[in-house]
Amino acid sequence: AQSVTQLGSHVSVSEGALVLLRCNYSSSVPPYLFWYVQYPNQGLQLLLKYTSAATLVKGINGFEAEFKKSETSFHLTKPSAHMSDAAEYFCAVGGNTGGFKTIFGAGTRLFVKA
Amino acid sequence: DVKVTQSSRYLVKRTGEKVFLECVQDMDHENMFWYRQDPGLGLRLIYFSYDVKMKEKGDIPEGYSVSREKKERFSLILESASTNQTSMYLCASSKHLEGHEQYFGPGTRLTVT
Repeated sequence: AQSVTQLGSHVSVSEGALVLLRCNYSSSVPPYLFWYVQYPNQGLQLLLKYTSAATLVKGINGFEAEFKKSETSFHLTKPSAHMSDAAEYFCAVGGNTGGFKTIFGAGTRLFVKA
Repeated sequence: DVKVTQSSRYLVKRTGEKVFLECVQDMDHENMFWYRQDPGLGLRLIYFSYDVKMKEKGDIPEGYSVSREKKERFSLILESASTNQTSMYLCASSKHLEGHEQYFGPGTRLTVT
């Protein structure tokens, strides 16, 4: 079975500081991994996805994530936080064995202080 | 630009009412999904559909049913609404089931009183 754990339900950073949102997954097969962002009163939108082509994945709005198989991690980073990055972020894992499910983490709310 | 729309952003219903939530996508996607989102629990899959008239139960189907009569439209039905169904409901679609991102609607915040 696949699962996703996001460490920290809330993360607070200062504007201009590094953003690091942590995600660990469990999967018996090479996974597809995703990060989604949800701005207030909106649905989720894709930030980036890992599909085994490259371990460092670049996404929209300056975000990137690195797939580390040995650590079963897929942490999301951004070098310099902007006020507009304040949102909730979801890590998700999907299988490639014929299973259909995408499993979402519980989410991490990012606060950016001026 | 891809688009998933949901019929209502906010809905207030009484206990016992039958509730219909509608979702339409304009991307000719095969697959459509209904999730509910609750604080601290992330997104939980209620039902999904991989073709017209086809449906599969997700993790929490109890108290819900779905209908997909046309490819672009996927409806979620609460047969008899209860207060524990107060939640944010998100519809999504995807081209393929495996490895493909899902496109989400803006959500419907349902309150059952």
